[in-house]
Amino acid sequence: DTGVSQDPRHKITKRGQNVTFRCDPISEHNRLYWYRQTLGQGPEFLTYFQNEAQLEKSRLLSDRFSAERPKGSFSTLEIQRTEQGDSAMYLCASSLLGNPYNEQFFGPGTRLTVL
Amino acid sequence: QKEVEQNSGPLSVPEGAIASLNCTYSDRVSQSFFWYRQYSGKSPELIMSIYSNGDKEDGRFTAQLNKASQYVSLLIRDSQPSDSATYLCAVNKYGNKLVFGAGTILRVKS
Repeated sequence: DTGVSQDPRHKITKRGQNVTFRCDPISEHNRLYWYRQTLGQGPEFLTYFQNEAQLEKSRLLSDRFSAERPKGSFSTLEIQRTEQGDSAMYLCASSLLGNPYNEQFFGPGTRLTVL
Repeated sequence: QKEVEQNSGPLSVPEGAIASLNCTYSDRVSQSFFWYRQYSGKSPELIMSIYSNGDKEDGRFTAQLNKASQYVSLLIRDSQPSDSATYLCAVNKYGNKLVFGAGTILRVKS
């Protein structure tokens, strides 16, 4: 399977704990995106990387959220001091720089539940 | 006003009928447009991309774009129960992030 992969698929945590999610993009894709989706809504953009550079962050991304893509391959999204409002599906997508229309392909997502 | 708007539905159509899904967007600089299908509990799956005014067909799916009126539509011919899902419209302005609508729930009744 050469699609986008995410780990873990499900995470249950207690309020105040830190969590980290991993995303592995499609191998030749150099752009990687993080989105968050809550029930009944479309995905909302959080941040994106081109290779290892983080080029844009949404205002939704509070200082408790940090994302890295240290070698331009996989990425991690960390949430510190989780709150119940952080409960959502966290989606990763990737695309190929040079594709003029920026078609993005999503991984299976990580569902976070904060108790 | 939301940047991308869709009727939440549900849109119910009988098996074999044409399902018509619509989406409007507010920013005229939007450059490319996408339809994603999302089954309950799953992630979005890209089914159609369109960039130029007019129609684009792929199998049972046809995407239509009218930039002057700022709307995008998706037609699904010969609808099947397996087409029952939420359909998300997304727009891309500067080649970076996607902005999504809230999605339209489609139910195909057998």
